[in-house]
Amino acid sequence: DGGITQSPKYLFRKEGQNVTLSCEQNLNHDAMYWYRQDPGQGLRLIYYSQIVNDFQKGDIAEGYSVSREKKESFPLTVTSAQKNPTAFYLCASSEIQGNTEAFFGQGTRLTVV
Amino acid sequence: AQSVTQPDIHITVSEGASLELRCNYSYGATPYLFWYVQSPGQGLQLLLKYFSGDTLVQGIKGFEAEFKRSQSSFNLRKPSVHWSDAAEYFCAVRNNQGGKLIFGQGTELSVKP
Repeated sequence: DGGITQSPKYLFRKEGQNVTLSCEQNLNHDAMYWYRQDPGQGLRLIYYSQIVNDFQKGDIAEGYSVSREKKESFPLTVTSAQKNPTAFYLCASSEIQGNTEAFFGQGTRLTVV
Repeated sequence: AQSVTQPDIHITVSEGASLELRCNYSYGATPYLFWYVQSPGQGLQLLLKYFSGDTLVQGIKGFEAEFKRSQSSFNLRKPSVHWSDAAEYFCAVRNNQGGKLIFGQGTELSVKP
């Protein structure tokens, strides 16, 4: 089945540690996105990529980093510079054309203690 | 810049009653518009989308939405709400050159028996 897979579903880390969230898609989509979701704030864009080896900052990129070495993979690293990393993180993918919807993974809940 | 506003953070309706969730967007040209639904702790599922043509679009689960260019709105409606419709609903916009998907803050729907 085609889809987008995020792992792990739950992640706990100690303050000051970097952590990497995985996102893989087998939909052959060119574009991939990372969103952060906090209660009452909707989805805020962290990074997005429209092609391998290229990506752009979203609205809240500070404290995060990404890579796009393969079309199907777009991992997100939450660094120790992110002041408040505890949140629900959603990965999505889509075709490049504007008239296409994005498909979402099931999310990763990160808790930093 | 593109933006999306969902004025209602939380709405409660009785089961069997009609529903309308509001969405206003800001974009210079004709946008591509989407409604997504999210159950707690899950990813987002597409309900419906508008690209062009008929301004009244039908989606899954009995939902529909109407695009009104003069009001910059894309409100979601359902004639009779079921208890299983309780969830969070997100409106989103994308420009016609592709690129990032911008979300509203979300509306949480509660359904009273």
